[in-house]
Amino acid sequence: ETGVTQSPTHLIKTRGQQVTLRCSSQSGHNTVSWYQQALGQGPQFIFQYYREEENGRGNFPPRFSGLQFPNYSSELNVNALELDDSALYLCASSLGGLAGNNEQFFGPGTRLTVL
Amino acid sequence: DAKTTQPNSMESNEEEPVHLPCNHSTISGTDYIHWYRQLPSQGPEYVIHGLTSNVNNRMASLAIAEDRKSSTLILHRATLRDAAVYYCIPRGGTTSGTYKYIFGTGTRLKVLA
Repeated sequence: ETGVTQSPTHLIKTRGQQVTLRCSSQSGHNTVSWYQQALGQGPQFIFQYYREEENGRGNFPPRFSGLQFPNYSSELNVNALELDDSALYLCASSLGGLAGNNEQFFGPGTRLTVL
Repeated sequence: DAKTTQPNSMESNEEEPVHLPCNHSTISGTDYIHWYRQLPSQGPEYVIHGLTSNVNNRMASLAIAEDRKSSTLILHRATLRDAAVYYCIPRGGTTSGTYKYIFGTGTRLKVLA
C-alpha cells in the first residue's frame, strides 16, 4: 500500500508568482485535504476535495484554489504569492468525505519559500 | 469551531507512562475527539480517536471524561520515538459544522533517556 506523496519537496518562488503543489493520495482514498503550516504553528485547514468537488474550506482567500482528479490525486494552486505564504503545505487523504470519524493520512509536505 | 486547550510542553522519562490532557469544553455532542502527533520534519500522524467511550489501540489509549469536555491521551511506556507535538482535535460531521480539522498549537512532548 503506497502512502501519501507530495511534490516537490521544496520550492522557492518570488512574490507575485504562482505555484502548483501536487499530492497523490493513499490507494483507495477518495478525499484529499490541504493544510498550511507556518513555522511553530499547527496546520491550518485550507480546503477539502471529495470525489473531485470542493466540499469544505477554511479561512483562505480565493487565490488559494485546488483540483482533484479522477484518480483522486490533487493539486493546490496559489496565485499572486505573498511573503506570508511561506510555509509547509501538507496534503492528507482519507476515505468518506466529511465524516467525523475518519482518520487522515498525511504526506511529508512541500516547503514553500516566497522571497 | 470547538476550541481546545493543551499544555504547551511536557516532559517524561523513557519507559514511563505519559498522560497528555486536553480541554475541549465547547465540543458538540456529535464531535469525535481525534489525536494526532507530528514528529520533527514530518506530516502529522494519526494516533487515536473516540466519541464517548475510552479507546485503546496499539499506539495509545484515549480516556474521555463523562461530560466530554476533556480527554487524556495515554502513552503507556514512552520511548524516545514518541517525542513529538501532540494535537487534540474535536471533529464532527457535516451537520455539526466542525468537519474541519482545527489544529491548535498542541503539546510538545520531550522524552528523557
